[in-house]
Amino acid sequence: EVQLLESGGGLVQPGGSLRLSCAASEFTFSSYAMSWVRQAPGKGLEWVSAISGSSSFTYYADSVKGRFTISRDNSKNTLYLQMNSLRAEDTAIYYCARPPQPAAIRAEYFPLWGQGTLVTVSS
Amino acid sequence: EIVMTQSPVTLSVSPGERATLSCRASQSVDSNLAWYQQKPGLAPRLLIYDSSTRATGIPARFSGSGSGTEFTLTISSLQSEDFAVYFCQQNNHWPPAFGQGTKVEI
Repeated sequence: EVQLLESGGGLVQPGGSLRLSCAASEFTFSSYAMSWVRQAPGKGLEWVSAISGSSSFTYYADSVKGRFTISRDNSKNTLYLQMNSLRAEDTAIYYCARPPQPAAIRAEYFPLWGQGTLVTVSS
Repeated sequence: EIVMTQSPVTLSVSPGERATLSCRASQSVDSNLAWYQQKPGLAPRLLIYDSSTRATGIPARFSGSGSGTEFTLTISSLQSEDFAVYFCQQNNHWPPAFGQGTKVEI
């Protein structure tokens, strides 16, 4: 079954770090750009970051630029999000998401989502 | 950045009734507009893309329309499983942007 499975969430203090992972299965992971999208408790969806299939291009929302780093290991079919200098406003469920077609990185919609992993930033 | 605004925030309807949800973009996104349904504790589910194309497995009671800056999601006859939060998303300009959601409740 084509799926995405996030892990790595948890409770972290303000200023701390966390690395999220997203394991992909049953599709050619390296051919797809991938994104992270987050959702604060009871709030809407916010696109966070995207990376091209070859890792040549990365993009970030202004709210996380300079603090978060997206990366991938195509040999392990895994997407990562390294989150540093975490703030209370980073508290959210983090989803990895895949666009419909393998293509160069671009603004896309997302037919495939993981189940999400909860990050809580609190002292 | 494009701002997506959805209305209403909450829509109260009865099963069997028609529901009409709106989404407005701060500038034209052509027809590059998607709709998602989200139920509590679950990831968003793609309903509509390219403004009016239903995603795989989505029932025909869901339809989308619009282009430019004004878009509509219509649920022709609400079923019990349709009570959820609905988000629109533009994918015409970088970065992709979501609306704040419309909750459809009984």
